Amino acid sequence: DTGVSQDPRHKITKRGQNVTFRCDPISEHNRLYWYRQTLGQGPEFLTYFQNEAQLEKSRLLSDRFSAERPKGSFSTLEIQRTEQGDSAMYLCASSLGHRDTMNTEAFFGQGTRLTVV
Amino acid sequence: AQSVTQPDIHITVSEGASLELRCNYSYGATPYLFWYVQSPGQGLQLLLKYFSGDTLVQGIKGFEAEFKRSQSSFNLRKPSVHWSDAAEYFCAVGAGASYGKLTFGQGTILTVHP
Repeated sequence: DTGVSQDPRHKITKRGQNVTFRCDPISEHNRLYWYRQTLGQGPEFLTYFQNEAQLEKSRLLSDRFSAERPKGSFSTLEIQRTEQGDSAMYLCASSLGHRDTMNTEAFFGQGTRLTVV
Repeated sequence: AQSVTQPDIHITVSEGASLELRCNYSYGATPYLFWYVQSPGQGLQLLLKYFSGDTLVQGIKGFEAEFKRSQSSFNLRKPSVHWSDAAEYFCAVGAGASYGKLTFGQGTILTVHP
């Protein structure tokens, strides 16, 4: 396992279409995060999972966005009825964390670049 | 809520010159601090991190950073820059029990002249 993997790397879609992205974390990592990065900005936190439980969602995550991690391994991020403002890089990260034991920093994937035309 | 400010949007240095990238944070408790680097179209690579202990931390690629609580700063330094260091650098603060839920600064783009 060489790191966090995201698929696809690039996606061009027409406004109004639905898109789904996949993230495969580092295999032993129990925490998984989604971020969005627009041009010229730093990444912004969207949501995170501990195992299969979605523990936190940012206000940035509108009703059109949904994320899942059904078996506590890979995760998907779906955007319904895409808008031009959704154009961004979507980054996934994973880490190992337990309440009373050592936590690791987040390791990032290479991202999925979404362009909505 | 926490926040991170990187005052310099773009810095240009000559190869071999020293480098300092500034980062100021706002957080009510002891922060977890990170510097990440991003090449165009790529994800983020961790350069170094501060969790506790020694306030001068060493990272990869010859980078170091110093945590100064009194100034709420975590500036990144390198004594001699290489052309391959050209990239965008992000400072981030983590909160709570999860080191992966991060608030990032806007980033500093580093250009290196030969």
